[in-house]
Amino acid sequence: GAGVSQSPSNKVTEKGKDVELRCDPISGHTALYWYRQSLGQGLEFLIYFQGNSAPDKSGLPSDRFSAERTGGSVSTLTIQRTQQEDSAVYLCASSPEALAAYEQYFGPGTRLTVT
Amino acid sequence: SQQGEEDPQALSIQEGENATMNCSYKTSINNLQWYRQNSGRGLVHLILIRSNEREKHSGRLRVTLDTSKKSSSLLITASRAADTASYFCATVSSGTYKYIFGTGTRLKVLA
Repeated sequence: GAGVSQSPSNKVTEKGKDVELRCDPISGHTALYWYRQSLGQGLEFLIYFQGNSAPDKSGLPSDRFSAERTGGSVSTLTIQRTQQEDSAVYLCASSPEALAAYEQYFGPGTRLTVT
Repeated sequence: SQQGEEDPQALSIQEGENATMNCSYKTSINNLQWYRQNSGRGLVHLILIRSNEREKHSGRLRVTLDTSKKSSSLLITASRAADTASYFCATVSSGTYKYIFGTGTRLKVLA
């Protein structure tokens, strides 16, 4: 079956502009995660969804970052007034449930470059 | 610092040799997972070991877990050039949803 997809694969934007990143999880997966990975670094947890709700938003770096998920499926991560330090690869992952026992399935990521 | 810390940060070996990388963590866990990442894009799950397991095998992969030392190791035997990638451990604490990833080991296998 289809895996996790993300769009766009690459995004170049000017500082101060808003961007939207999209994630399509595997069908039937109730848990969805967003991570950020700066060049050569590990993964920084941003937010997770169980269904449409996001119980923990504490990983979002600032109030310029927001995310939503509709219909228990597609999720959008929005970054307002982008800054150069927002440049990174944004990864989305899904799993059958938001429990510790499951592996995560990752999308290919969106490489964001803020000029 | 992050829950999972891998070492070494980088490893370069010849094809056919074994590669060992280690992961240390700080709190009690439900399970520990290893992932591979090629070219800075999506991660691929390799293996999951539960806190009550000590060793697990999958093909050329062997993972050990020592909960008393809060550490795990990933051994790749008979390495191939295609194994060149970054390898991350991820720890999951009991009753939580959050996967904490380490900083990764960059493995380079020379043909």
